[in-house]
Amino acid sequence: AQRVTQPEKLLSVFKGAPVELKCNYSYSGSPELFWYVQYSRQRLQLLLRHISRESIKGFTADLNKGETSFHLKKPFAQEEDSAMYYCAPRSKLVFGKGMKLTVNP
Amino acid sequence: EAGVAQSPRYKIIEKRQSVAFWCNPISGHATLYWYQQILGQGPKLLIQFQNNGVVDDSQLPKDRFSAERLKGVDSTLKIQPAKLEDSAVYLCASSSGQGNTGELFFGEGSRLTVL
Repeated sequence: AQRVTQPEKLLSVFKGAPVELKCNYSYSGSPELFWYVQYSRQRLQLLLRHISRESIKGFTADLNKGETSFHLKKPFAQEEDSAMYYCAPRSKLVFGKGMKLTVNP
Repeated sequence: EAGVAQSPRYKIIEKRQSVAFWCNPISGHATLYWYQQILGQGPKLLIQFQNNGVVDDSQLPKDRFSAERLKGVDSTLKIQPAKLEDSAVYLCASSSGQGNTGELFFGEGSRLTVL
């Protein structure tokens, strides 16, 4: 089964600090992973997917097959980044439990 | 373009009662998903439709949950009878791509409280 784990539930940083939201996966084959985000009072929406290797809103995520990780990173967090972040596998059967990021002014 | 529409937004029922949720996906999206999101957890897929056929319902508690997408557009999810543990947000999502590689577009969700 395709599984993802988000080991941390909460992360609070100050504006301008770097952030790393962790996601580990545990399935064989070619992993394909996504990050979804839910801002306050908004719908869950796609942030980025690893196959596109893009940077969205300053966030990047690199697939590390050796560490079976797909951590989401941003060098300088902004207040508007405060949200719930979910890691999801290709199958999308079960998303990660989510991490709440709070960026303080 | 109009997003995924869901109704009702909120529903409170007593245990053993029944409830139905409706979803209208983005026009032209062939794939439709129903998720259950319990407080503090990530969304869990209940059922996936491709047009009007079921692709995956392995995590749907079939003794009490049912879903249909008769004309390949709108979908309804029903719970009968409801249990306390069914309290959750029920999310509908749609995508245009086949398989599971496409982006999901989510509705606002229907929050169910079972008393």
